[in-house]
Amino acid sequence: AQSVTQLGSHVSVSEGALVLLRCNYSSSVPPYLFWYVQYPNQGLQLLLKYTTGATLVKGINGFEAEFKKSETSFHLTKPSAHMSDAAEYFCAVSGPLNYQLIWGAGTKLIIKP
Amino acid sequence: DAGVIQSPRHEVTEMGQEVTLRCKPISGHDYLFWYRQTMMRGLELLIYFNNNVPIDDSGMPEDRFSAKMPNASFSTLKIQPSEPRDSAVYFCASSLGQATYEQYFGPGTRLTVT
Repeated sequence: AQSVTQLGSHVSVSEGALVLLRCNYSSSVPPYLFWYVQYPNQGLQLLLKYTTGATLVKGINGFEAEFKKSETSFHLTKPSAHMSDAAEYFCAVSGPLNYQLIWGAGTKLIIKP
Repeated sequence: DAGVIQSPRHEVTEMGQEVTLRCKPISGHDYLFWYRQTMMRGLELLIYFNNNVPIDDSGMPEDRFSAKMPNASFSTLKIQPSEPRDSAVYFCASSLGQATYEQYFGPGTRLTVT
């Protein structure tokens, strides 16, 4: 069965530092992988997605993620954190049926000034 | 496009009252999802529809919850009677399932049951 594990419910980085949010998945079929961002009091917004092709995927706001099949990982990175990046980030994998998404528990990104 | 529209944005009600949440998906999308988000349980899928037909309602917590999609542009999630433990943010999302798994979320309805 498909599942998603996000390591760390909270990640704290200093402004200007590297952001690394970890996501590992399990899937019985080639997966589609997603990162969504949720700002306070808002809905979830797509940050980036991997479907097929190039394994390094670039998204909005300077974020990118790399699909590593051998490691079953899809970690999210950004070279330099901004205060505006403070939000909750969700990793998701395509489900087995009818275009569902299986969601990770989310990681709250805290940016220290 | 206006995106997924949800109403109301905030709802405060007393225990035992009926609550109806509304959702208008993005035009042309054929999948509609209802989620609930709480601090304790995170993001939970309640039910989803394909072409207005409910496909999987196994996430609906109990019989007090019901959802309908009378046409392609409107869906409701009803709680009757409401209880304090139903307090959460409820999200509606839609997608073009045939083309992509990508889901587009509405802004959510924050429900408080006192």
